[in-house]
Amino acid sequence: QVHLVQSGAEVKKPGASVKLSCEASGYTFTTYYMHWVRQAPGQGLEWMGIMYLGDGSTIYAQKFQGRVTMTRDTSTSTVYMDLSSLISEDTAVYYCVRDGGSGGLDYWGQGTLVTVSS
Amino acid sequence: QSALTQPASVSGSPGQSITISCTGTSSDVGGYNYVSWYQQHPGKAPKLMIYEVSNRPSGVSNRFSGSKSGNTASLTISGLQAEDEADYYCSSYTSSPLVFGTGTKVTVL
Repeated sequence: QVHLVQSGAEVKKPGASVKLSCEASGYTFTTYYMHWVRQAPGQGLEWMGIMYLGDGSTIYAQKFQGRVTMTRDTSTSTVYMDLSSLISEDTAVYYCVRDGGSGGLDYWGQGTLVTVSS
Repeated sequence: QSALTQPASVSGSPGQSITISCTGTSSDVGGYNYVSWYQQHPGKAPKLMIYEVSNRPSGVSNRFSGSKSGNTASLTISGLQAEDEADYYCSSYTSSPLVFGTGTKVTVL
């Protein structure tokens, strides 16, 4: 079965960067798209970007352009999301999510809490 | 890209039916048949309940159904049960290419 296992919680200072990982298993990695979605405490879901795992092409939400970079390692079926210039408002749970096709996000990682605090 | 608009809360008694709306524009909900719905219980990751407006993934109860008219999509929960109490989010493809709704808290009275 499909599993997405994310890296552990992070605590960062304002201005720092964070790199999260998401290891996929149970399906053919390169034939799907992967999204990153975040959720601030008590808030709704916010879409950050998408990567086609076949060729690594990406589209980022306008809000995060210039601060976010999504990469992948096909040898380990792992996706990475790097977010720079962190501010307190970036405190959130970050999810990697597989796109099952037609925008249906069918498998979610367990989430990684990133806390930005001085 | 602005978030899709959902009511903040909807409630119903066990056994009743409730409907959650998700309003967008012709650039998102109205322009694509790629609306999805997610259920999220506290402290858990969201779960896909509906995709492509009205399709249910395997394992999702047929008490959940989706539809769309113009720029508004809807999720109906029939035969409301205590376990349905959760937050619900819609999403739609756009040119951006994805946007979520503002979220709706469903309370079972």
